[in-house]
Amino acid sequence: DAGVTQSPTHLIKTRGQHVTLRCSPISGHKSVSWYQQVLGQGPQFIFQYYEKEERGRGNFPDRFSARQFPNYSSELNVNALLLGDSALYLCASSLAVYSYNEQFFGPGTRLTVL
Amino acid sequence: QKEVEQDPGPLSVPEGAIVSLNCTYSNSAFQYFMWYRQYSRKGPELLMYTYSSGNKEDGRFTAQVDKSSKYISLFIRDSQPSDSATYLCAMSPTQGGSEKLVFGKGTKLTVNP
Repeated sequence: DAGVTQSPTHLIKTRGQHVTLRCSPISGHKSVSWYQQVLGQGPQFIFQYYEKEERGRGNFPDRFSARQFPNYSSELNVNALLLGDSALYLCASSLAVYSYNEQFFGPGTRLTVL
Repeated sequence: QKEVEQDPGPLSVPEGAIVSLNCTYSNSAFQYFMWYRQYSRKGPELLMYTYSSGNKEDGRFTAQVDKSSKYISLFIRDSQPSDSATYLCAMSPTQGGSEKLVFGKGTKLTVNP
């Protein structure tokens, strides 16, 4: 079975631009969570979606938004990019909202903002 | 004070050594404790998942939780070069959802052949 997939793998943008990151969960998983991992830090929670509804939001500005589609794939959008948005963006999927021990991470999208 | 503190290392050991990785925390509400392994340019992979205090063993890996000291550990026996990775601790006061999961910074481990 395929694991969590994310696209693109790498992305270079300039300040002020907009970016869309994509995630496909493991087949059968209905929950998708997004995390930001700055170099040298642990992942920080951004959003969780379950059955297309937002179930949690981390302490990130409104420039960050996300959505989940009927096939449970998800997009993370970031507007008005800042240098500090440079990070590895991780997507994780799980069967349900409350299942850390069944949460699987994708390889991430590395975003560089110049 | 950060909720979760983890020494970033780096930690370098010879093959076969016993490795001890640790995290301390300040939030006494944390009850669920996890250790993740993250290889370079990859996403984290769940290694160990424990609830409350005590020990849990899985092959060469042992996770310990001491809630009275707010201290958790991961021991790796007979370490192998393939164990070279960054190890992240994570914890939560409840069983889900993701917004409650707090990660440490990670400890970079290198096991030398």
